[in-house]
Amino acid sequence: GESVGLHLPTLSVQEGDNSIINCAYSNSASDYFIWYKQESGKGPQFIIDIRSNMDKRQGQRVTVLLNKTVKHLSLQIAATQPGDSAVYFCAERGRDTGRRALTFGSGTRLQVQP
Amino acid sequence: GAVVSQHPSWVICKSGTSVKIECRSLDFQATTMFWYRQFPKQSLMLMATSNEGSKATYEQGVEKDKFLINHASLTLSTLTVTSAHPEDSSFYICSAPRGGARGQNTEAFFGQGTRLTVV
Repeated sequence: GESVGLHLPTLSVQEGDNSIINCAYSNSASDYFIWYKQESGKGPQFIIDIRSNMDKRQGQRVTVLLNKTVKHLSLQIAATQPGDSAVYFCAERGRDTGRRALTFGSGTRLQVQP
Repeated sequence: GAVVSQHPSWVICKSGTSVKIECRSLDFQATTMFWYRQFPKQSLMLMATSNEGSKATYEQGVEKDKFLINHASLTLSTLTVTSAHPEDSSFYICSAPRGGARGQNTEAFFGQGTRLTVV
């Protein structure tokens, strides 16, 4: 079935370094992708999104890259800070499903070492 | 600020009792809301789609008689866990898409989540 998964369950980085979190998706009809940050005991917080007609989008300290050829999505965080420590989820929505609920990946825990 | 408010943030109840969780969109109308469940160290799994003015749509394996959903207005959806059991203990999260015509992809805003513990 459709799935969105991640390569690395845990990523540990030094403060100030750049972080890269990866995500693979299987639904080739997916046309909208979002990265969420979830802190312990809280709901997901929107970070950045990208539509399938783009391959890169930048926000404040974050960049999302989309490679539709290999169905891969990544989130790059520049100058990672302790406050970035959280679990990060990619999520996708397929144009062909007719539903607007998101399908979430399994999550990556980012640990920022001071 | 939060655009989707969920209440309560945590609740402890006894086995066999029912618990109601509310999800409100604060500054926009949501004809559709979604309810997710998240077990520790796992991802969010969609339980059901709440539709204003019509019945909720449940995902496969989710008991509609156990998880009652009522989309009372364009800004409120409620999830009631009936006859709760310890295995229902989980983190329940609602979300609401904001803006955009049907079929148009839009950002989904999430509530703060409700930690349910059934003892």
